[in-house]
Amino acid sequence: DVVMTQTPVSLSLAIGQPASISCKSSQSLVHSDGKTYLSWILQRPGQSPKRLIYLVSKLDSGVPDRFSGSGSETEFTLKISRVEAEDLGVYYCWQATHFPQTFGGGTKLELK
Amino acid sequence: EVQLVETGGGLVQPGKSLKLTCATSGFTFSTAWMHWVRQSPEKRLEWIARIKDKSNNYATDYVESVKGRFTISRDDSKSSVYLQMNSLKEEDTATYYCTGRAYWGQGTLVTVSS
Repeated sequence: DVVMTQTPVSLSLAIGQPASISCKSSQSLVHSDGKTYLSWILQRPGQSPKRLIYLVSKLDSGVPDRFSGSGSETEFTLKISRVEAEDLGVYYCWQATHFPQTFGGGTKLELK
Repeated sequence: EVQLVETGGGLVQPGKSLKLTCATSGFTFSTAWMHWVRQSPEKRLEWIARIKDKSNNYATDYVESVKGRFTISRDDSKSSVYLQMNSLKEEDTATYYCTGRAYWGQGTLVTVSS
């Protein structure tokens, strides 16, 4: 199975600060169809997960443009340009290129 | 408004069965590939099953740990996806989510314990 490794495990930031979360995969996530099926999801406290980004860098509808995704092959990054209170929670990366689909261990974003 | 509502969770003894239902609305269910994902008490996420749409012959896939015990199915006329879980084990204890396209349900808790 593809192992997804996220760093850091936790992040404590003040409102307005930038955030960066790394996700590394044990294999290239480029599918045979040329696409890279890497998504980022956010689980706010007490809520179900919500997808923010798909295909590495495409924002889902309604997701603020302070979020951005980048990367290729085995290294990916989620960035938040300026953290807001509603951004706290656990962020997971998720690959759907290889079977079985696998998730990272999560990065907990806390407010300082 | 998009909704995915999972039901059917609960407390069950090891070896018993349970069937989860995910009723959806607000998006084109018939062409969506639907998944079940579970979250352990330690908050680890695990993809467990997928069912494709009619044009892909409703093909199914399962993670190895549930293959032969769990069955995913769908009813496009009801915009619903199901997860039949047999021979449940204590390690199946988790919150079970259905997800399709960008959307996730609120989850249903399954606890397997004697």
